[in-house]
Amino acid sequence: GENVEQHPSTLSVQEGDSAVIKCTYSDSASNYFPWYKQELGKRPQLIIDIRSNVGEKKDQRIAVTLNKTAKHFSLHITETQPEDSAVYFCAASKAFYDMRFGAGTRLTVKP
Amino acid sequence: EAGVTQFPSHSVIEKGQTVTLRCDPISGHDNLYWYRRVMGKEIKFLLHFVKESKQDESGMPNNRFLAERTGGTYSTLKVQPAELEDSGVYFCASSQDHSMSYEQYFGPGTRLTVT
Repeated sequence: GENVEQHPSTLSVQEGDSAVIKCTYSDSASNYFPWYKQELGKRPQLIIDIRSNVGEKKDQRIAVTLNKTAKHFSLHITETQPEDSAVYFCAASKAFYDMRFGAGTRLTVKP
Repeated sequence: EAGVTQFPSHSVIEKGQTVTLRCDPISGHDNLYWYRRVMGKEIKFLLHFVKESKQDESGMPNNRFLAERTGGTYSTLKVQPAELEDSGVYFCASSQDHSMSYEQYFGPGTRLTVT
C-alpha cells in the first residue's frame, strides 16, 4: 500500500519568510496529492491540491510542486504570516481511494 | 450547506468498556472515510465506505473495531472492548463521487480517551 513520508516534523520561520514542507510517496499509481491545514482544535481543511497531470499549482501565497519521477511533492508558503501557524499534512491517493497521510509538520510563524 | 458532523466531541471511557462514535457526512456524499490520529503522528486511515459498502477496511486495527453505514447515510464506529492504545482523535471525512473533485471534507473529530 501507499506510504507517505513528510519532513520536517517541525518548522519555525520568521514572519515574512518562506516555508517549505516536503513529502515523498511510494505508490507510483497515486494521482492525487492534497495538502491539509489543521489549526489548533479545528478540523483538517484542504488548502491546495494537485493531480498527477500537473507539475505545479499556485494559489496566492501557496504553491505545490510535484515530481512524479522522483515521487515527491512539496508545499511552498511565501510571505508567511502568524495565521499560517498550524499543522500541515500532505497526502497521496488514487482518486477517491487509498488516501494516506504524512505525519504532519507543525509550522510556527514568529511575529 | 452543513459540514461533516461527529458525535460525541469527547469521550472518556475505561479500558474494557464500549464506545460508539457517529459520523454524519455531507448530504449526497457517497464516500465516507474514518481516520485516527494519535498525538504527533499521521492521520491514519481506518476504512472507506462507498454508500453502504465497505470499499477498503485495510486500516482497521483489529476485530475490536466495527464500522457500519446502514442505508448509506451516517456511519458508526464501535470499539468493543476498548484498550488504552485506542486513545486518539477519530476523524470522519466525506467526499462526492465525482471526478471533478476528490476533496475530502473532515469532521471536527471525536477525542477518545481510554483510561
